[in-house]
Amino acid sequence: AQKVTQAQTEISVVEKEDVTLDCVYETRDTTYYLFWYKQPPSGELVFLIRRNSFDEQNEISGRYSWNFQKSTSSFNFTITASQVVDSAVYFCALGGGSNYKLTFGKGTLLTVNP
Amino acid sequence: SAVISQKPSRDICQRGTSLTIQCQVDSQVTMMFWYRQQPGQSLTLIATANQGSEATYESGFVIDKFPISRPNLTFSTLTVSNMSPEDSSIYLCSVANRDRYNGYTFGSGTRLTVV
Repeated sequence: AQKVTQAQTEISVVEKEDVTLDCVYETRDTTYYLFWYKQPPSGELVFLIRRNSFDEQNEISGRYSWNFQKSTSSFNFTITASQVVDSAVYFCALGGGSNYKLTFGKGTLLTVNP
Repeated sequence: SAVISQKPSRDICQRGTSLTIQCQVDSQVTMMFWYRQQPGQSLTLIATANQGSEATYESGFVIDKFPISRPNLTFSTLTVSNMSPEDSSIYLCSVANRDRYNGYTFGSGTRLTVV
């Protein structure tokens, strides 16, 4: 069975602080996909990134960066110089190689205060 | 990536009634997924809908309560039947983009309140 753990339920930071959201996963699939989604208060899910299991390169996109470590089954997400608009719930999700189902973590509510 | 139009965006319904949620995709997709997000909770997969076959339901969800139609490769509906206040949730449809490297696209969600 697949499992995604986001241990941080809520994080509150002041604008311009850096913040890291943790994600730990469990799977028996040898090929799998990891995702991060943002859910602002309006409710829609915004795709941020996908990482497949055989690509351990870290990625940076503007203020966002992701650290994938297969050895520790973690896929952490860092926002540099946070902004109020970053306030949202962030979900980490796992997809198996043989099926298209996504398993979501419980999400982390990030509040960025001015 | 696919674009999904989901309707209605929100509704307030009386207990005992049913609501049908629609999702229209701008391209043909094999699989569509329906999720429920209860207040303050994560997303839980209700079922996978393939065109031309019965939907596959996850544990804890049954067809009588959540009937799904998938008449073609661009459209699906989810009905929430005989609603109770416990059904108050956000319901989202999703498709796997042709190349999963582009992730999964989600509809904008239907915020359902049952009174």
